[in-house]
Amino acid sequence: DGGITQSPKYLFRKEGQNVTLSCEQNLNHDAMYWYRQDPGQGLRLIYYSQIVNDFQKGDIAEGYSVSREKKESFPLTVTSAQKNPTAFYLCASRGDRAFYGYTFGSGTRLTVV
Amino acid sequence: QKEVEQDPGPLSVPEGAIVSLNCTYSNSAFQYFMWYRQYSRKGPELLMYTYSSGNKEDGRFTAQVDKSSKYISLFIRDSQPSDSATYLCAMSGLETSGSRLTFGEGTQLTVNP
Repeated sequence: DGGITQSPKYLFRKEGQNVTLSCEQNLNHDAMYWYRQDPGQGLRLIYYSQIVNDFQKGDIAEGYSVSREKKESFPLTVTSAQKNPTAFYLCASRGDRAFYGYTFGSGTRLTVV
Repeated sequence: QKEVEQDPGPLSVPEGAIVSLNCTYSNSAFQYFMWYRQYSRKGPELLMYTYSSGNKEDGRFTAQVDKSSKYISLFIRDSQPSDSATYLCAMSGLETSGSRLTFGEGTQLTVNP
């Protein structure tokens, strides 16, 4: 079945560490997105990519980095510069028609310990 | 002011009630309107989408769009405990490939048996 796979489901980070969240899709979608979800704040866009080897900052990109070397993969690195990284992270992709909504992954819960 | 406003709730109803969830928006360029359902600690899943104004029905769910008032609604008839989730509205314009969705904050719904 086509879909988006995020891993790991739970991730713990020590202070000062960089961690990478994986996102893989087999939907043949060009566009991919990373969102952060905090209680009471809805979904906030971190980075998005419309095509391989190209990506744009979203609303809260500081302290995060991404790469898009393959169409299927859009990993997110949470760097030590991100001061409040504890959150639920969601990856999504979108097809090439305007009425397509997003397909979301199941999310990664990142906790700083 | 946010582009999309959604009452975060929480909303608690008895089983069998009719539930009304709403969003207002300010951007007149929005043409596609979607509702996502998100269970706790899961990724959102697309529930319904509509284009421009009008109604769309799918089983117990009805989506309405009133572009003149910049107001969209999701109605759930004969609500069930399994409908307990957070409901997010989302919107986009006519632009194709890769455009981002704009989300409401989400409304937390609990249906009590």
